[in-house]
Amino acid sequence: GAVVSQHPSWVICKSGTSVKIECRSLDFQATTMFWYRQFPKQSLMLMATSNEGSKATYEQGVEKDKFLINHASLTLSTLTVTSAHPEDSSFYICSVETSGAKKGVGTGELFFGEGSRLTVL
Amino acid sequence: DAKTTQPPSMDCAEGRAANLPCNHSTISGNEYVYWYRQIHSQGPQYIIHGLKNNETNEMASLIITEDRKSSTLILPHATLRDTAVYYCIVRGGTSYGKLTFGQGTILTVHP
Repeated sequence: GAVVSQHPSWVICKSGTSVKIECRSLDFQATTMFWYRQFPKQSLMLMATSNEGSKATYEQGVEKDKFLINHASLTLSTLTVTSAHPEDSSFYICSVETSGAKKGVGTGELFFGEGSRLTVL
Repeated sequence: DAKTTQPPSMDCAEGRAANLPCNHSTISGNEYVYWYRQIHSQGPQYIIHGLKNNETNEMASLIITEDRKSSTLILPHATLRDTAVYYCIVRGGTSYGKLTFGQGTILTVHP
């Protein structure tokens, strides 16, 4: 069954509005979740690391004031695209890492959500 | 994390084994090799990962060369549903959770 769930799976909004995307860890508690973005016919690009109870860590070139990340609980992280514009239209995907107890920290299985397709008109 | 090189595309006949190669010549001793695949408009799906020993699970087998500079993902009996983009990724213990995706290999399984 699914390990990570995203909602909504797709959303269309008007330019200038804000959109919130939720990422839920279904089977386990996740202190860290990751947000990726994928443009058409391109590979996934890591946007930020979401840390439960603290500020997110953003990758270079990603505007933290535009892509607000909140990780208020061990099973939920949200990504809010503020004042969305057409160039923000993309496929947004979150991921969670399971425990790598057998092979060591940082070497567990990394599960991805189904993705959320954002279209800004 | 070490960079990987994969062929941009491959074809495979349904029912036959699909062997997807990956070069990672700059891999370091504590870095693992991960394989994911992405079917169109879906999130990536974990397939398998390994350090230096060959690995097998219900989805695939991973063969890593002795010098660890390359690996091969084997889908033993490819089906049409295996058509996807396959990503080979190298990740070390210090890059917790971060995966750097390359362009991957587009595998097309045909009847």
